[in-house]
Amino acid sequence: GQQLNQSPQSMFIQEGEDVSMNCTSSSIFNTWLWYKQDPGEGPVLLIALYKAGELTSNGRLTAQFGITRKDSFLNISASIPSDVGIYFCAGQWQKLVFGQGTRLTINP
Amino acid sequence: DAGVTQSPTHLIKTRGQQVTLRCSPKSGHDTVSWYQQALGQGPQFIFQYYEEEERQRGNFPDRFSGHQFPNYSSELNVNALLLGDSALYLCASSLARYFEQYFGPGTRLTVT
Repeated sequence: GQQLNQSPQSMFIQEGEDVSMNCTSSSIFNTWLWYKQDPGEGPVLLIALYKAGELTSNGRLTAQFGITRKDSFLNISASIPSDVGIYFCAGQWQKLVFGQGTRLTINP
Repeated sequence: DAGVTQSPTHLIKTRGQQVTLRCSPKSGHDTVSWYQQALGQGPQFIFQYYEEEERQRGNFPDRFSGHQFPNYSSELNVNALLLGDSALYLCASSLARYFEQYFGPGTRLTVT
């Protein structure tokens, strides 16, 4: 079945640093989505990408849909304490397939 | 504009029992998908409902069943509960089947 490899699994950074995480797959997707999940809550949609090569920003977040349609990355610039949480990539063809998540911890 | 709502928030059941979870989609959305999220894992797709029919299904046994009502709300039913069914159950809604999905807060199910 379809699987997503998300890396890194965890990140420990200083406040103000930039963050980069990515997802790769052996399968092609027609949509890539990035979510953030806080403890005990449902995932919150951050960015949706619909076209290969598309680069989209949402405030300090920037994500790109890979040209091969098999990968995507998410960058967070100038991290702040509220960025702490688990970030999930998700690829959609007919159903939504999630990566394993990247846990972001910020040292003040 | 109300987002996706789920009930109950928490639930404790005993092995062998049956459970029903409920979901109301975001206003204007007609498609509901259900996911199971084990601790420390990403959500796993259970099934999707559109026009009151199950349209897609993930790798879950027939003990997991669902329903969508004319107002687009949905239920997830799990029969013969196992300890391994303990998880956060998430509902997501979308405008049509292939658009971005918005998640509710989830129902935490504990099976003892």
